[in-house]
Amino acid sequence: QKEVEQNSGPLSVPEGAIASLNCTYSDRGSQSFFWYRQYSGKSPELIMFIYSNGDKEDGRFTAQLNKASQYVSLLIRDSQPSDSATYLCAVYSSASKIIFGSGTRLSIRP
Amino acid sequence: NAGVTQTPKFQVLKTGQSMTLQCAQDMNHNSMYWYRQDPGMGLRLIYYSASEGTTDKGEVPNGYNVSRLNKREFSLRLESAAPSQTSVYFCASSEAAPAYGYTFGSGTRLTVV
Repeated sequence: QKEVEQNSGPLSVPEGAIASLNCTYSDRGSQSFFWYRQYSGKSPELIMFIYSNGDKEDGRFTAQLNKASQYVSLLIRDSQPSDSATYLCAVYSSASKIIFGSGTRLSIRP
Repeated sequence: NAGVTQTPKFQVLKTGQSMTLQCAQDMNHNSMYWYRQDPGMGLRLIYYSASEGTTDKGEVPNGYNVSRLNKREFSLRLESAAPSQTSVYFCASSEAAPAYGYTFGSGTRLTVV
């Protein structure tokens, strides 16, 4: 079982709709959870992090964490073509390093 | 606002050649990391340095060596390149414990022929 699992996609969402990306993790001791956005040919860019149960909102982005279910999600409201990218879920558990999922490719269609 | 700087950006090597990938950060971070990214495999940790003077193996260390030269710099060396090492390499840095995430460099695209 992979430590951090994501559906690889592609996930296709119409412009203006809500995009929902999901991630599960295996280590119950995980402390912090991240969503990175990566455009093709570019490096990952941190867009959200969350460490307590519930929702965290930042502009059009909402991260949701459910530690009991070991589940993290990212909602993107009013999706724009510029949101088309690969989204990496990542988890910090211990030992000074972060484990990444393999990413979900999101495509926003006009 | 340089952040994390990687050199070179692109490199083509012949099988058996050696090279060093350079990484430097100007954020006074304690921890530094080397990842490789391959299609469908996500980011896999090669080596990391939790603090100056220490290095540890990650998930895929075989064929690589690292040096934490000082607090700013962390280099990755391929002693005898193999086609399986064709990948995009990212350096990253963080506070002592990366509870707030990493800052990534722009990456090095390496092809071994």
